[in-house]
Amino acid sequence: EVQLVQSGAEVKKPGESLKISCKGSGYSFTSFWIGWVRQMPGKGLEWMGTIYPGDSDTRYSPSFQGQVTISVDKSISTAYLQWSSLKASDSAIFYCVGSYSSGWYRYWGQGTLVIVSS
Amino acid sequence: DIQMTQSPSTLSASVGDRVTITCRASQSISSWLAWYQQKPGKAPKVLIYKASSLESGVPSRFSGSGSGTEFTLTISSLQPDDFATYYCQQYNSHSTFGGGTKVEIK
Repeated sequence: EVQLVQSGAEVKKPGESLKISCKGSGYSFTSFWIGWVRQMPGKGLEWMGTIYPGDSDTRYSPSFQGQVTISVDKSISTAYLQWSSLKASDSAIFYCVGSYSSGWYRYWGQGTLVIVSS
Repeated sequence: DIQMTQSPSTLSASVGDRVTITCRASQSISSWLAWYQQKPGKAPKVLIYKASSLESGVPSRFSGSGSGTEFTLTISSLQPDDFATYYCQQYNSHSTFGGGTKVEIK
């Protein structure tokens, strides 16, 4: 059974850095696109970007390019989403999502809540 | 960026109603469109992919149609479990979600 298990909720201050994780299991990690989707409080879904662990091919939404970094550690089947300097507007739930075809997402993590507040 | 516009943003309906949600793309996306259902506090769940392919395990009362720039999600007979928010997603060029349609009890 494919599972994407995300790291726990985070409370951070503006300007701090953060790296959240998504551990995959039940499939071949290197042959499966992993993406990230943001959902701000009470709002809709926003696609942030995706990575193919097999060759680290990474694609970002223009809205998020330069704002976040998506990476993987194949040795532990884990994908990451990181910020170098958080803003209050980064507060949201972040879902990692999985696809065999860099398209639609059958597999979703449970979500990681990030709160950025002074 | 391809923009996805869903309508309506909110829909009030009763159990047993036929419900249709529309999604329009700012440019042609062929059939590279998926539909998701999200309930409060839960991750979304895919219902339809490639515009009209029903995901395994999804009830047959859900159907999708369309190609190019205009797409619809239809629920043939609304059930109590279907009150939720629905999103379309294009995956022709990168990916973009529509703004969502909340289906409420009338």
